[in-house]
Amino acid sequence: RKEVEQDPGPFNVPEGATVAFNCTYSNSASQSFFWYRQDCRKEPKLLMSVYSSGNEDGRFTAQLNRASQYISLLIRDSKLSDSATYLCVVSLYNNNDMRFGAGTRLTVKP
Amino acid sequence: DAGVIQSPRHEVTEMGQEVTLRCKPISGHNSLFWYRQTMMRGLELLIYFNNNVPIDDSGMPEDRFSAKMPNASFSTLKIQPSEPRDSAVYFCASSGIGPGLAVYGTQYFGPGTRLTVL
Repeated sequence: RKEVEQDPGPFNVPEGATVAFNCTYSNSASQSFFWYRQDCRKEPKLLMSVYSSGNEDGRFTAQLNRASQYISLLIRDSKLSDSATYLCVVSLYNNNDMRFGAGTRLTVKP
Repeated sequence: DAGVIQSPRHEVTEMGQEVTLRCKPISGHNSLFWYRQTMMRGLELLIYFNNNVPIDDSGMPEDRFSAKMPNASFSTLKIQPSEPRDSAVYFCASSGIGPGLAVYGTQYFGPGTRLTVL
């Protein structure tokens, strides 16, 4: 079983749609959780950290369920510029051992 | 502020040749990471350094790969001899702790080196 598993995608949605990505992780001792965004032929960039209480950053909401070892990312009112691959990232200890999911590709269409 | 700098951005070489990839981390960061990304395997951690010392190299595929960090502002990843299956995008990332850093311990990636071994 992979350490971090994501929805395979791709997701193709119209502008303005709400889209949700899911991610599960295998190690229950994992401590830190993140969503990274990667544009085509670019480097991954931190989108947001994921906190136990859930957190929101504008149109983006991240949630963590430790009991189910599950992380989600919700994007509301999607924009064309949201088109990218979204990587779920889990760290066991101190953010030096980050494990990346394979990513879910999102395409937002006009 | 300058982010992580990598060079070259693109490298095309022939099988058997030595390849050296370079990285300059963000100033003040004390951890440096080398990753490889392919379509088949996704993003894989190869090795990371903390305060210039290699901490975990368990991801290094084989003896053909080696990495060094002679000082806090420079690291190299060398492949010798290179093989076609080494073709990938190689990312360097850095992270640090301390005042003024955007997110504690989060890794910031360089633009990557796209390596093609013919």
